[in-house]
Amino acid sequence: GAVVSQHPSWVICKSGTSVKIECRSLDFQATTMFWYRQFPKQSLMLMATSNEGSKATYEQGVEKDKFLINHASLTLSTLTVTSAHPEDSSFYICSARVDDNEKLFFGSGTQLSVL
Amino acid sequence: QKEVEQNSGPLSVPEGAIASLNCTYSDRGSQSFFWYRQYSGKSPELIMFIYSNGDKEDGRFTAQLNKASQYVSLLIRDSQPSDSATYLCAVTADKIIFGKGTRLHILP
Repeated sequence: GAVVSQHPSWVICKSGTSVKIECRSLDFQATTMFWYRQFPKQSLMLMATSNEGSKATYEQGVEKDKFLINHASLTLSTLTVTSAHPEDSSFYICSARVDDNEKLFFGSGTQLSVL
Repeated sequence: QKEVEQNSGPLSVPEGAIASLNCTYSDRGSQSFFWYRQYSGKSPELIMFIYSNGDKEDGRFTAQLNKASQYVSLLIRDSQPSDSATYLCAVTADKIIFGKGTRLHILP
């Protein structure tokens, strides 16, 4: 399957700081990437759809000014959690779809802990 | 509201037995169906996909789809302790929707 690389794997930060998470498609070009959040023992929650060269589409209830998404190239999307607070602590996972192939391939995830 | 429903479990199955995981979906226009496996603290991994009614087999895994009943299942034969994980059902119509997952525990 296609390879999606996500960094960092885990990050600990102080409240009020910003954290950037990178998601790269290594062996394919991804016009669309997706960002999910998952709390312990909960289901995946889609946060936003990242489209190369255009603005991301955010799901209802997700603050676009807090979760900044940039998809500047066909292989890289970034999620920046701005002014992070302890309630933002979660497992963040990116995924990408290969062209029109509907299969989603996931990055390894980023565990964010905000102190 | 388009939904994908799964029994949260845990589903306990003896090692070597067949594990049967079920999923129902609400959108009759759904076209593609996926099963992902997620180990604790890890991201989901695609293990099976099916597009047409019937069965699709891959190794110890069999996906079954019945569009008339809006039902998709995953069978795991000869269950191994390493199969213990949460299994996510995903369905695509205009967008992909995930179920909440079924926790599977294989008893040694």
